[in-house]
Amino acid sequence: DTAVSQTPKYLVTQMGNDKSIKCEQNLGHDTMYWYKQDSKKFLKIMFSYNNKELIINETVPNRFSPKSPDKAHLNLHINSLELGDSAVYFCASSRRFSTSTDTQYFGPGTRLTVL
Amino acid sequence: TQLLEQSPQFLSIQEGENLTVYCNSSSVFSSLQWYRQEPGEGPVLLVTVVTGGEVKKLKRLTFQFGDARKDSSLHITAAQPGDTGLYLCAGTNTNAGKSTFGDGTTLTVKP
Repeated sequence: DTAVSQTPKYLVTQMGNDKSIKCEQNLGHDTMYWYKQDSKKFLKIMFSYNNKELIINETVPNRFSPKSPDKAHLNLHINSLELGDSAVYFCASSRRFSTSTDTQYFGPGTRLTVL
Repeated sequence: TQLLEQSPQFLSIQEGENLTVYCNSSSVFSSLQWYRQEPGEGPVLLVTVVTGGEVKKLKRLTFQFGDARKDSSLHITAAQPGDTGLYLCAGTNTNAGKSTFGDGTTLTVKP
C-alpha cells in the first residue's frame, strides 16, 4: 500500500488555467505538507496543516489555495497558472506537528509544466 | 531565514571509492535529517541525528552531527551504483513545524 499518494503524476497546462493536485496519506498522521522543488532540486515548504488546520503558509501567492477536507487529505488548488509555477510539487505527512524527530513521508511528486 | 548549504553540489565517482558530503548552516537545529531522492520519486529519510557530536552508522553510510548542531556530514564507504541519487539534508526545530532543506548533492557512482 502506498503511504502517501498524489494525483496526477504529471500535469501539463497552459498559462492562466486553474488546476488541482490531490494528496492522500493512509498512515494516520496528524500533519501534512506541500513542498515545491524547483529545477535546481531545491525543496521549499509551502504549507503545513495539522489536524485539518493551516499552520504554516510560507508567503506563497494567493493563487495557491490548499484545502484539507479531513486529516488524510490535503489538496492544492492553483489559480491563474504562471510559467514560474512549473516545478515538482511534493506532498508529505508526519505523525505530529511540533516535534523535530518525527519522520516525514513524501509522496512521489507531481510534475507541473506550465506552457 | 535558516539556510543549509551542501557541498559538493555534484559528485561523480567510480564504484568502490569513498566520499563525504557536507551540510553547513549558521543556525542551530534541534535535529538534522538526511534524505536520498531518486529520479521521479520523493525524498526518503535515511537518518535523523539529534545530539551534538552524534555519529550514526547505516551499513556503509556514516552520519555525523556537529557538536554545535549547526552542521553535519555524510560519509559513504565503498560507494556502489545503487548509491546514485540526490542527497538532501534538512534541519528541523521543535515547534517550528517545518524542515529547512539544503540545496542538495547529486551523486553519481559509475560501475
